[in-house]
This record gives sequence, structure tokens and C-alpha cells, in this order.
Amino acid sequence: GQNIDQPTEMTATEGAIVQINCTYQTSGFNGLFWYQQHAGEAPTFLSYNVLDGLEEKGRFSSFLSRSKGYSYLLLKELQMKDSASYLCAVKDSNYQLIWGAGTKLIIKP
Amino acid sequence: DADVTQTPRNRITKTGKRIMLECSQTKGHDRMYWYRQDPGLGLRLIYYSFDVKDINKGEISDGYSVSRQAQAKFSLSLESAIPNQTALYFCATSDFAGEAGELFFGEGSRLTVL
Repeated sequence: GQNIDQPTEMTATEGAIVQINCTYQTSGFNGLFWYQQHAGEAPTFLSYNVLDGLEEKGRFSSFLSRSKGYSYLLLKELQMKDSASYLCAVKDSNYQLIWGAGTKLIIKP
Repeated sequence: DADVTQTPRNRITKTGKRIMLECSQTKGHDRMYWYRQDPGLGLRLIYYSFDVKDINKGEISDGYSVSRQAQAKFSLSLESAIPNQTALYFCATSDFAGEAGELFFGEGSRLTVL
């Protein structure tokens, strides 16, 4: 079966750096997405990786290793507004998105 | 105004009632999707549509039906609601499924079936 694994919850301190991991086992691979979802709100797109390596976008970076079935989202200079759930999703060989359950990130002052 | 609008935002209903959730978009996207979100689970695809004449079942289509009335409108129906359909429902759109195809989500419709 297809599976996306990410930690259920993480806690970090304002101003620090946090890395949220995602491992996947899917039938084929056509890209990996990270979305941010604040409580009670819609998910919003953060990043897309289809090739191995690091994609940087401001305070957020996303890394992909296709051979390891692994990605991480790196958040730097954490702010209170970064408290949210972070969803990892992989597009399989049929271009269907398989979603992880999300990682709830709690930022403490 | 939101680019992807869902109505109603909240609905409480009783078992056996028919419910329709509506979605409209101003993004001009051809592809539209309905997902449900439950605590501790990833988003699950119910139905999707790549254009007005195209309807496809997703992972969990049983108990649901959809209608694509126009490029901009995609509605989800529960013919006879049951309590395990209590969930947060999201409509989403995308421009294409190839290289990226990021999803743009509506604000969600919270449905409670008693």
C-alpha cells in the first residue's frame, strides 16, 4: 500500500530552527508537496520538490531524497504565526496525491 | 473575496437527510476536487473533475455524489447522511496535473451528522 509518515506533533521555540520529516512509500513518484494549515483553515501551498536536493524559499526550505523516500521541511527563525499543521503529500505514478496525516507544530515563546 | 468559495461553512444535520455542499471558483481552473479531513488522518479524495464533462471517483466515493454544473462550480451531495460522514470537507482547484499542479483550497465546510 501507499504510505506517508510524518511525526504527529513537534514543539519548538520562537526564533529557533525546526525540521519536520516526511517519509513515503508510494507507487511511483511525481513530486512531493508541503502545505501549511492553520487550525480551522484551509491548507496553503508551501513548496514542491521533484528533483533531489534543497529548495529554499525565504525562511522555509524543503529537501528531497528520492532514493531514500524522504523529505524534510526546514523552518528557520520561527515565529509564533508558524504554529500550524504541516502536511506532506506525494504525487504517485497516476498523478494522484497521497497525503500524510500532518505534523502539528507548536511554537513556544 | 476568496478565489475558492464553499457554502455552507458549517452545517449540522440529522441522519438520513440529504445535504449539498457547494463550491465555486474564480481562478479559471479546469480541475476541481472534493476532499474530506478527519482528525489524525490525511486528506482523502472523494471525487474529482478535470473538466465539465469529466467526473472521477476518488478514494472514498461511497455515500457521496457530485455534479459539475459549470467550469466554476462543483457540488458534493450526501444523499442520506450518516454520522461517520461528520468531517471537514474541502473543495480545491488546480491548473494542471503535470509538473506541479498545486492545489488551491476553499475555506472548508464543517459538517456534523447527528
